[in-house]
Amino acid sequence: EIVLTQSPATLSLSPGERAALSCRASQSISSSLAWYQQKPGQVPRLLIYSASNRAPGIPARFSGSGSGTDFTLTISSLEPEDFAVYYCQQRSGPFGPGTKVDIK
Amino acid sequence: EVQLVESGGGLVQPGGSLRLSCAASGFIFSGYGMNWVRQAPGKGLESISYIGSSGDTIYYADSVKGRFTISRDNAKNSLYLQMNSLRAEDTAVYYCARQAGALGTWGQGTMVTVSS
Repeated sequence: EIVLTQSPATLSLSPGERAALSCRASQSISSSLAWYQQKPGQVPRLLIYSASNRAPGIPARFSGSGSGTDFTLTISSLEPEDFAVYYCQQRSGPFGPGTKVDIK
Repeated sequence: EVQLVESGGGLVQPGGSLRLSCAASGFIFSGYGMNWVRQAPGKGLESISYIGSSGDTIYYADSVKGRFTISRDNAKNSLYLQMNSLRAEDTAVYYCARQAGALGTWGQGTMVTVSS
């Protein structure tokens, strides 16, 4: 069974800063990885699919990279609305434990 | 508009059963695999079950295997989750989500509370 690990657990940054979130798979999953954003009390929102493809309507400041076992979600310049929890997920499989991006 | 609406949640005693439904609209339901994802209070997301577009492919997380059954009725544009032998640790918001490369469409969720 594939296990996804996310780091760091919490990332404290200021608006305008760059955020880099890591997701590591216990074995190769090719490019079958998605990233989701969830704000308190809201439904998760798809950001990135197939490791590097932005979902419709997602701003260009969000980008995904990686393949195999190591993946990264990058937010180039944090906007106030980007402070949230981010999850990675293997296609039709498990989610990672999440990374909380909070305001420094 | 693509929409998923869950129903059937509520309060149930440990050992009890509940059947969740997810009504789909705005897209060709029979063309998509569907998922159930849950989130316990204050916790992360857990993918618990997947069913292929025709119902021929089904996966369960170990945490629910043998207790939960996923099914779908493409004629009624509906997804179901039959939950038996419920435990306190099954308390969560249950979401249905459409699989299209990833989970691009989610319902608003239905709360299931398992407590005596």
